[in-house]
Amino acid sequence: EAQVTQNPRYLITVTGKKLTVTCSQNMNHEYMSWYRQDPGLGLRQIYYSMNVEVTDKGDVPEGYKVSRKEKRNFPLILESPSPNQTSLYFCASSFTGDGGFFGPQHFGDGTRLSIL
Amino acid sequence: QKEVEQNSGPLSVPEGAIASLNCTYSDRGSQSFFWYRQYSGKSPELIMFIYSNGDKEDGRFTAQLNKASQYVSLLIRDSQPSDSATYLCAVRGGMSNTGKLIFGQGTTLQVKP
Repeated sequence: EAQVTQNPRYLITVTGKKLTVTCSQNMNHEYMSWYRQDPGLGLRQIYYSMNVEVTDKGDVPEGYKVSRKEKRNFPLILESPSPNQTSLYFCASSFTGDGGFFGPQHFGDGTRLSIL
Repeated sequence: QKEVEQNSGPLSVPEGAIASLNCTYSDRGSQSFFWYRQYSGKSPELIMFIYSNGDKEDGRFTAQLNKASQYVSLLIRDSQPSDSATYLCAVRGGMSNTGKLIFGQGTTLQVKP
């Protein structure tokens, strides 16, 4: 089954304790992205990756890191989490075609993070 | 001006009716247009995408795109209570073309039995 898998689904932690949210896709997609969703602010892109070893900032990158060492994995790292990073996080992936074409993005089930 | 605008609703329709959801976007260079359905606390689920002007039908869903007016809509025929959700319009491409999806705030649809 084609899917984007995120772990953990839920996490409650404390300020300053480093955490990693994993994301893996089995569709051989080149493009992967992280979003956060907050009430009243909608879905906002944190980081994205066009392919292996190619990552770039989205709209709200502060406080986050990513890496793309393998095509299927795109982990999101919070080095020193703070309460304002409490949110619902989604990983997504899509194929890319010629001429800058991007296919539809498929989303993981989400990770609800609470930073106390 | 927001990049992608939707009426937040709620839009309430009786079961069996046609629900019409609308979205406008600001970047004339946008290339791809998507409708996602999202139930509370769940992930966005892709239901339609459209790349060219005109209509695209898939089952009970029809997406309509008018690039000249920078307008995209979603029609849901024979609405069912299970269609009650938030519908997110998303736009991709445009001047920067980083592949980023730009989402509207979403329209809440309520289908009443």
